[in-house]
Amino acid sequence: QAVVTQEPSLTVSPGGTVTLTCGSSTGAVTSGHYPYWFQQKPGQAPRTLIYNTSNKHSWTPARFSGSVLGGKAALTLSGAQPEDEAEYYCLVSYSGALVFGGGTKLTVL
Amino acid sequence: QVQLQESGPGLVKPSETLSLTCTLSGGSFNTYYWSWIRQSPGKGLEWIGYVYYSGSTNYNPSLKSRVVISVDTSRNQFSLKLSSLTAADAAVYYCAVGDSSGYLIFDSWGQGTLVTVSS
Repeated sequence: QAVVTQEPSLTVSPGGTVTLTCGSSTGAVTSGHYPYWFQQKPGQAPRTLIYNTSNKHSWTPARFSGSVLGGKAALTLSGAQPEDEAEYYCLVSYSGALVFGGGTKLTVL
Repeated sequence: QVQLQESGPGLVKPSETLSLTCTLSGGSFNTYYWSWIRQSPGKGLEWIGYVYYSGSTNYNPSLKSRVVISVDTSRNQFSLKLSSLTAADAAVYYCAVGDSSGYLIFDSWGQGTLVTVSS
């Protein structure tokens, strides 16, 4: 089974920009892997931020954007807010079989 | 927005079968995907599987031999059965459904239910 990799932790300053990435053990992540991004805060269920590379959910703030960059899926946060401190998970589809990354703990400090 | 609520036993004995139900309320139930995901304490998310609107299923290969997901649209419910439980199956189990377009697999999530595996 493929392994999806994410940075274990990142820190961003309030108002700053940060990019989280999502790689695959099988090679480059492309739009054909329909990458997702989820946000999870302590004690809460995850919620979908981005799907199919760059599509935003209805509740996704405009400061979040998704892309494929350098063979990885990427989630860019521009203008970080304190409430963006959370765990972020990516998910990649391998012909319908879904694999989550290990998550990135994002600190806004 | 549809709301989802997981229900089932919070404690299951090793080697037994876990049965969980996810009930949908409010909003539109027109969805293409019904999914289960779990999260071991302090760990990351693990996809368990989903049922597609056609009735076809897709399961995590590592769990496939022990998992059955089924949907009862007449009752706005879908269920998870996971057999031969071990301590490694202890987790918070989430249900999720997709939207009506078919492009979004995880539109709404339940709040999760904690399952402990112990004799």
